[in-house]
Amino acid sequence: DADVTQTPRNRITKTGKRIMLECSQTKGHDRMYWYRQDPGLGLRLIYYSFDVKDINKGEISDGYSVSRQAQAKFSLSLESAIPNQTALYFCATSDNERGYTDTQYFGPGTRLTVL
Amino acid sequence: KQEVTQIPAALSVPEGENLVLNCSFTDSAIYNLQWFRQDPGKGLTSLLLIQSSQREQTSGRLNASLDKSSGRSTLYIAASQPGDSATYLCAVHSNYQLIWGAGTKLIIKP
Repeated sequence: DADVTQTPRNRITKTGKRIMLECSQTKGHDRMYWYRQDPGLGLRLIYYSFDVKDINKGEISDGYSVSRQAQAKFSLSLESAIPNQTALYFCATSDNERGYTDTQYFGPGTRLTVL
Repeated sequence: KQEVTQIPAALSVPEGENLVLNCSFTDSAIYNLQWFRQDPGKGLTSLLLIQSSQREQTSGRLNASLDKSSGRSTLYIAASQPGDSATYLCAVHSNYQLIWGAGTKLIIKP
């Protein structure tokens, strides 16, 4: 079984709808991240969480919110989806033994299309 | 602001050739640099991580080098195989964040 799972894997929705993307991990890591990837661009950090009580905004947090329900679960919400949020979304985890510089482990991604 | 660039955006080579992928970054104050592989539908897999104090790392047919002073890293793939076809991304740890290049899409022709 995969260590980092994302649901759904694909989603098509309409402008204005609320969408939640879910991420679960079995690696036992404290740190979790949400990124988006757009064609021709590198990944960009949306939010990150260093533990259940710690949530931080990344480079492009506007229009997004997150919830860290447990060590193993980190959800990303689009309160009112807009077409320029169409992208590939990745969840990642890392442990905290050496700080932020640890290797990150990625889920398979969620392809979101907003019409 | 740290920026990461990967050139070329795409590369196609015959099987068996050795090849080099390039990554450049604008701010030499980095903690480390990582190379990832991205396969469609399978997310990203870490290949090599080079700490800022290191010059290179090797794993099998892969060798990554780091020259902080010039803001460059290379990923060398020896004896390329069709299974190496993927998009290769580099990312630098800078200011407590991972800053990513856009990737090089590599196609190995049988």
